[in-house]
Amino acid sequence: ETGVTQTPRHLVMGMTNKKSLKCEQHLGHNAMYWYKQSAKKPLELMFVYNFKEQTENNSVPSRFSPECPNSSHLFLHLHTLQPEDSALYLCASSHLRDRYPRAFFGQGTRLTVV
Amino acid sequence: GQQVMQIPQYQHVQEGEDFTTYCNSSTTLSNIQWYKQRPGGHPVFLIQLVKSGEVKKQKRLTFQFGEAKKNSSLHITATQTTDVGTYFCAGGSNSGYALNFGKGTSLLVTP
Repeated sequence: ETGVTQTPRHLVMGMTNKKSLKCEQHLGHNAMYWYKQSAKKPLELMFVYNFKEQTENNSVPSRFSPECPNSSHLFLHLHTLQPEDSALYLCASSHLRDRYPRAFFGQGTRLTVV
Repeated sequence: GQQVMQIPQYQHVQEGEDFTTYCNSSTTLSNIQWYKQRPGGHPVFLIQLVKSGEVKKQKRLTFQFGEAKKNSSLHITATQTTDVGTYFCAGGSNSGYALNFGKGTSLLVTP
């Protein structure tokens, strides 16, 4: 296992639903990330948290709302999504004590919006 | 902003053939990292290069970082079916710690 756990692994939701993705890391890291991985697109960085503080929001639509209650947990709250939001959502963590932090990824949540 | 381009997008080889993927950045990188994602899996860290002109080897895999720290390559010698997957490069900038990933090269190896 990677030390980064994501739940659920698969999610199907309607466009009017509200759901949340959860990520938990057991590595003692202090930075956490949400990435979106769609077919034919690179890994898109969505949000970055450093010690619970959001440091980056890469022009992500407001229908995606992140929450980081502590440095071990990260959530992505979803509401009124569109079919084009269907993708693999990957959580990652890293330790900022490293000069050039590397990312440890969770197994992802495969999201389908119908 | 920083862009990391990776080619080719796909590569299909016969087992035993060599394979190379290339990564180019529009800006100078602080470091370059390589990840592998198996089909149905998640990206897993392979290696990190920091120094200009650096070369590192992991068994049949050879990683290079360009002299200008703007390009990198991954070369696999004598591919095996276990090498199947998508290989991503990820560039670090000097202004932050988040990584910018290339689109990846999907490698298919047929026996």
